[in-house]
Amino acid sequence: SSELTQDPAVSVALGQTVRITCQGDSLRIYYASWYQQRPGQAPVFVMYGKNNRPSGIPDRFSGSSSGNTASLTITGAQAEDEADYYCNSRDSSGNLLIFGGGTKLTVL
Amino acid sequence: EVQLLESGGGLVQPGGSLRLSCAASGFTLRNYAMSWVRQAPGKGLEWVAGISGSGADTYHLDPVKGRLTISRDNSKNTLFLQMDSLRAEDTGIYYCARDLSMNRLLPEHLAYWGQGTLVTVSS
Repeated sequence: SSELTQDPAVSVALGQTVRITCQGDSLRIYYASWYQQRPGQAPVFVMYGKNNRPSGIPDRFSGSSSGNTASLTITGAQAEDEADYYCNSRDSSGNLLIFGGGTKLTVL
Repeated sequence: EVQLLESGGGLVQPGGSLRLSCAASGFTLRNYAMSWVRQAPGKGLEWVAGISGSGADTYHLDPVKGRLTISRDNSKNTLFLQMDSLRAEDTGIYYCARDLSMNRLLPEHLAYWGQGTLVTVSS
């Protein structure tokens, strides 16, 4: 098995850029996916693969990956982006899915 | 429009059983791998189990093996999670989720989620 590590909390000023990171050995093999979860709501799929946005996700969201680290970047953060963000990928064996612990994003 | 609707949650005593269902609509269920993901109160997401489109391949997180079992009935467009020998640590919201792409054996990108069903294990 393996783990994905995220910073517990990050803040950004309104309109500024923020990067949320996810680290883990499995990311050397598999791309991460990213999910946004607002309080009391189900997660929403916001990014996958090298830098692919699902339909309906604003283009201020972008993704990248290098070595054992995947990143989700929000360029020009909006108030509605305040949420918990989770990364996931397959584990190193390829037989299970794992999630990071989540990052709480605060937009100031 | 893809829709996933979970049901079957509730309050159950430790050692008890529940069967969760996830009714799928807006797509052909047999073409997609599916997952159950849970979230304990105030905690993060935890993938619990996955199943291939045909149902022939299943995957379970080690702590739940032998207690939680994923299955599906494609003819009824429904995904299931049989939950036996329940423990307090199984308490949480259980979401079903559909994979992004067709014909994967193991889910990878969880593109669509239901609203979840709450399971509470307590005496």
